[in-house]
Amino acid sequence: GENVEQHPSTLSVQEGDSAVIKCTYSDSASNYFPWYKQELGKRPQLIIDIRSNVGEKKDQRIAVTLNKTAKHFSLHITETQPEDSAVYFCAAHPSGSARQLTFGSGTQLTVLP
Amino acid sequence: NAGVTQTPKFQVLKTGQSMTLQCAQDMNHEYMSWYRQDPGMGLRLIHYSVGAGITDQGEVPNGYNVSRSTTEDFPLRLLSAAPSQTSVYFCASSAYSGRAYEQYFGPGTRLTVT
Repeated sequence: GENVEQHPSTLSVQEGDSAVIKCTYSDSASNYFPWYKQELGKRPQLIIDIRSNVGEKKDQRIAVTLNKTAKHFSLHITETQPEDSAVYFCAAHPSGSARQLTFGSGTQLTVLP
Repeated sequence: NAGVTQTPKFQVLKTGQSMTLQCAQDMNHEYMSWYRQDPGMGLRLIHYSVGAGITDQGEVPNGYNVSRSTTEDFPLRLLSAAPSQTSVYFCASSAYSGRAYEQYFGPGTRLTVT
């Protein structure tokens, strides 16, 4: 089955700096890669996703890049703000399958004012 | 739309007790899943269903049962609770669309087994 590794487990940045979270996956059949943000005590919520036919996707201050050859993808947050502080999860989903998402172990991002 | 709802929000059980965590969705999604979330371990899949009457095991199914008699409901049963099942449980639903299998999560159930 799919295995997703996520690094780092914790990340502290100064407000206004950029943050990068990296994930690797093992199943070359995976073709959908979402990122979820989970605030303390809340449910995970989708913030951005990318499919395997695209190398990069941006949405305002967040972007995701995908390298299918190396089987890794990354989340980039620019101009970080205190409200970006949360746990971020990456995930991978195999194509054409009823199997569900496999999640990384999460990154606790803290944006220091 | 209420989206995905879960009850109860909090529960304390004694070792050996059984209970059912309820999950319902009103988005007519065919896929539903149960995850448990433990510190440092992300979200791990317990069981999932691809439609009414069809269920399958995920990564950590032991000690849990599920059934899917309707599209809307997907309850999770703990047969004989153990302290190792202390966790936060999330139900999710999804449907294939232009966004692939985007998962919508419920608010979670925080379970403590003493």
